[in-house]
Amino acid sequence: ETGVTQSPTHLIKTRGQQVTLRCSSQSGHNTVSWYQQALGQGPQFIFQYYREEENGRGNFPPRFSGLQFPNYSSELNVNALELDDSALYLCASSPGQGANEKLFFGSGTQLSVL
Amino acid sequence: EDQVTQSPEALRLQEGESSSLNCSYTVSGLRGLFWYRQDPGKGPEFLFTLYSAGEEKEKERLKATLTKKESFLHITAPKPEDSATYLCAVAPPNSGNTPLVFGKGTRLSVIA
Repeated sequence: ETGVTQSPTHLIKTRGQQVTLRCSSQSGHNTVSWYQQALGQGPQFIFQYYREEENGRGNFPPRFSGLQFPNYSSELNVNALELDDSALYLCASSPGQGANEKLFFGSGTQLSVL
Repeated sequence: EDQVTQSPEALRLQEGESSSLNCSYTVSGLRGLFWYRQDPGKGPEFLFTLYSAGEEKEKERLKATLTKKESFLHITAPKPEDSATYLCAVAPPNSGNTPLVFGKGTRLSVIA
């Protein structure tokens, strides 16, 4: 059984640039959630995708957008990068969309914005 | 607003020195409380889910308990490999799409 994989593992961008982060969900999981984790903080919910539709969003601006593909893999896009976007971006998959579902996390993408 | 508070922020233990981590929450009608372990530079790894007050779950040296307003993660005779950040998260009672709300975590260091 393949776990959740994320790419790239590390990324350095400059302010104003755009970035795309990728996630492959665990086999059999149809729901993907994205979280942002700043240094020393807990993960903060960005949004969730269920069967290719966004079905929940946290308190993040519209420049954070995403996609889910038919194979349930997902992308997180961030436009007009700001210094505060520097963080570990975590993707988590689950077998369903309920909030009480166990989440399986990838190792994350460490994004640095200079 | 739902809130999850973990204490202490950091804890340093000698190998074999048992202790407890605390997670308090203000959510009413909790649908589940989760404990995760996170190693540096890695994603969180699931440990336990608790659903109702009085429930307990164990895994090796870890035991999680739940009351109506808080949860404890008890660590018995810890080893250096137990060093990690332990995150608590709650599933609020609203719609099925409401996400988990995480605390900031407790950084545990176990010294040999």
